[in-house]
Amino acid sequence: ETGVTQSPTHLIKTRGQQVTLRCSSQSGHNTVSWYQQALGQGPQFIFQYYREEENGRGNFPPRFSGLQFPNYSSELNVNALELDDSALYLCASSSSTRRHTNYGYTFGSGTRLTVV
Amino acid sequence: AQKVTQAQTEISVVEKEDVTLDCVYETRDTTYYLFWYKQPPSGELVFLIRRNSFDEQNEISGRYSWNFQKSTSSFNFTITASQVVDSAVYFCALSEAGGTGANNLFFGTGTRLTVIP
Repeated sequence: ETGVTQSPTHLIKTRGQQVTLRCSSQSGHNTVSWYQQALGQGPQFIFQYYREEENGRGNFPPRFSGLQFPNYSSELNVNALELDDSALYLCASSSSTRRHTNYGYTFGSGTRLTVV
Repeated sequence: AQKVTQAQTEISVVEKEDVTLDCVYETRDTTYYLFWYKQPPSGELVFLIRRNSFDEQNEISGRYSWNFQKSTSSFNFTITASQVVDSAVYFCALSEAGGTGANNLFFGTGTRLTVIP
């Protein structure tokens, strides 16, 4: 059973650019959640995808968007990067129904994004 | 609104000492889940425990134990006989089970534990 894999591990981008982060879910999991963790802070929920549809969103602007693919892998896209977007981006997969999460979240090691 | 407070930003202990990490939460839901995660330097969040709001039994797992008290909205975590490998950032998190949607995790700001050999 493989865990959650995120790529790339590190990334440096310039303010105003766009970035795509990728996440492969744990085998058997159909739900992916993305979190942003600024330095010295706890992770903050960005959004969740269940069976290729957004299933909840945190307090993040529309320039944060996502996709989930039929194999349940996922992408996080951030447009018009700002310096404050520098953070560790964590992906977590779980096995859920639309109304119920089994809370067996498995987290990846994250992508560390630096915006300069 | 939900909130998780971990008042201890950093704790240092000498190896083999016991250490307790504090967590206080706020929620209006009657059904919710509480979690503890460990984040080593590699970055991934490692799941330690989940408790639901109807189960106030304390739990012991090896050197780890958890004290859940609804009366004080606290869910504290104790490591007995700490080891250097316990050095990490520990996060307490809350998930409200009511309604539809993501049932996402709300995290505290974490406690950095350093165990000195």
